[in-house]
Amino acid sequence: GENVEQHPSTLSVQEGDSAVIKCTYSDSASNYFPWYKQELGKRPQLIIDIRSNVGEKKDQRIAVTLNKTAKHFSLHITETQPEDSAVYFCAASIDSGYALNFGKGTSLLVTP
Amino acid sequence: DSGVTQTPKHLITATGQRVTLRCSPRSGDLSVYWYQQSLDQGLQFLIQYYNGEERAKGNILERFSAQQFPDLHSELNLSSLELGDSALYFCASSERTGASFDTEAFFGQGTRLTVV
Repeated sequence: GENVEQHPSTLSVQEGDSAVIKCTYSDSASNYFPWYKQELGKRPQLIIDIRSNVGEKKDQRIAVTLNKTAKHFSLHITETQPEDSAVYFCAASIDSGYALNFGKGTSLLVTP
Repeated sequence: DSGVTQTPKHLITATGQRVTLRCSPRSGDLSVYWYQQSLDQGLQFLIQYYNGEERAKGNILERFSAQQFPDLHSELNLSSLELGDSALYFCASSERTGASFDTEAFFGQGTRLTVV
């Protein structure tokens, strides 16, 4: 089955700095790579996703890159703000509408 | 609010007992997924139902079972509970399976199960 590795497990940055979270996956059949943000005590919420026919996608301060050959994808958050503090999960799946295989999560702390 | 409703929010029960967790998907969503979130294992996929039928199975124990009813709500049954089953159980829903639709999975608020 699919195995998703996520690094780092914790990340602390100063407000205004950039944060990068990296994930690798094992199953070449995976084509859909969403990122979820989970605040303390809350549900996971989709923040951005990318499909295998696209190498990069950007939404304001958030961007995701995908290298399908190397089987890795990354989340980039620029100009971080304290409200970006949360746990971020990457996931891989055959496509949206199928089960998600999650990484173990990255706890991001943005200090003012 | 994601539109996915889970009940109860919290559940405390003893080892060996059986509990039922309930999930109502977003209106119109045909797929329901169950995930278990624990500190050491992260978010793990348990099982998916699509329009009443089991669609995919993940790391679901034999002591656990689920079903999706004609009104599309779903229940996750956990039996012979052990201390290690204590976790946050999330239900998620999406519109449908199929590669042609751009549909995200929306998560409910979860049910926190504590086995004592």
